[in-house]
Amino acid sequence: AQSVTQLGSHVSVSEGALVLLRCNYSSSVPPYLFWYVQYPNQGLQLLLKYTTGATLVKGINGFEAEFKKSETSFHLTKPSAHMSDAAEYFCAVISGGYQKVTFGTGTKLQVIP
Amino acid sequence: IAGITQAPTSQILAAGRRMTLRCTQDMRHNAMYWYRQDLGLGLRLIHYSNTAGTTGKGEVPDGYSVSRANTDDFPLTLASAVPSQTSVYFCASSREVRETQYFGPGTRLLVL
Repeated sequence: AQSVTQLGSHVSVSEGALVLLRCNYSSSVPPYLFWYVQYPNQGLQLLLKYTTGATLVKGINGFEAEFKKSETSFHLTKPSAHMSDAAEYFCAVISGGYQKVTFGTGTKLQVIP
Repeated sequence: IAGITQAPTSQILAAGRRMTLRCTQDMRHNAMYWYRQDLGLGLRLIHYSNTAGTTGKGEVPDGYSVSRANTDDFPLTLASAVPSQTSVYFCASSREVRETQYFGPGTRLLVL
């Protein structure tokens, strides 16, 4: 089975502070992992993805995520939050013979000036 | 402009009415998907199609049907709308199943 858990439906950070959004997955085989971002009244768009190779993945807008197999995690980070980062972030997984991606329930990021 | 479009943008529908949400992509992607997004529940897959001519059921298929007559179009039909189908509906596509999904702007549906 495959599943993904995002810890914290809402996260607030001050502008300039570190952003850390948590994602843990469950998969019996090496997964493909994704982070998507959704700005208000828009569809989702890809931030970054891990398929194989280097476990530290860099994405758009200064975000990065590290695949940690031992911890079954794929947390999203950004060293310094910007007001424009306020959005909802979704972690997603697809693994093995699955034909469908499983999305997490999302984490809404608030950036406080 | 390459991408994925959805129509209508929003709709108010009387319960019991039939409604088709349209989705078109011009990226020649093989796979297409329909999701509904509800507060606190994230994205839930309704139906999917891995290639033209084939469709499959997702997590919440009841009350919905799809068809995939060609590569570009993937309409979603509500045969007899109910208030619990009030939601925001997103269509998405990907080149292949395990690849990045590209999302449309969504259709906001209110069933009264």
